[in-house]
Amino acid sequence: QKEVEQNSGPLSVPEGAIASLNCTYSDRGSQSFFWYRQYSGKSPELIMSIYSNGDKEDGRFTAQLNKASQYVSLLIRDSQPSDSATYLCALKPGDYKLSFGAGTTVTVRA
Amino acid sequence: DAGVTQSPTHLIKTRGQQVTLRCSPKSGHDTVSWYQQALGQGPQFIFQYYEEEERQRGNFPDRFSGHQFPNYSSELNVNALLLGDSALYLCASSSGTGYQPQHFGDGTRLSIL
Repeated sequence: QKEVEQNSGPLSVPEGAIASLNCTYSDRGSQSFFWYRQYSGKSPELIMSIYSNGDKEDGRFTAQLNKASQYVSLLIRDSQPSDSATYLCALKPGDYKLSFGAGTTVTVRA
Repeated sequence: DAGVTQSPTHLIKTRGQQVTLRCSPKSGHDTVSWYQQALGQGPQFIFQYYEEEERQRGNFPDRFSGHQFPNYSSELNVNALLLGDSALYLCASSSGTGYQPQHFGDGTRLSIL
């Protein structure tokens, strides 16, 4: 079983719609969870971090964490063409390294 | 406030050669991590440096080595390059441990011919 698994893409959504990205993980001891956005040919950019069960909202982004189900998700509301990118789910299984999923590519259709 | 800076941006090497990549962390950060990202994959952890010591290492061979300097900057060295080493090499910096997020530099694109 992979340490971090993301729903396979690509995900195509119309402009203004909600994009829903999902991620499951295997290490129950993980305490820190992150979503990074990566544009083609660029480096990952931190967009959200979440540490407690429940929802965390930041602008058009909402991260949801359920540690009992070992599940973390990201919702992008009112999707814009500029949101077209690969979204990487990452977590810290300990104190040091980040473990990443393979990423989900999102395309927002104008 | 300068972010994480990496050099060079691009590099082309041939099999068997050696390469050194450099990273300066974000101001106020004391921890540097290195990742390898192959095309279409998520970044894979190579190692992390703190207080000039390697404190965690991922599943990479000894050909990959590193160093951290007193000013917190870091180098990644790769010896005996293989075609499979072609990737984007990312440096990330953070402050302390635990919950602190890591912030990435723009990366070095390494191509092996």
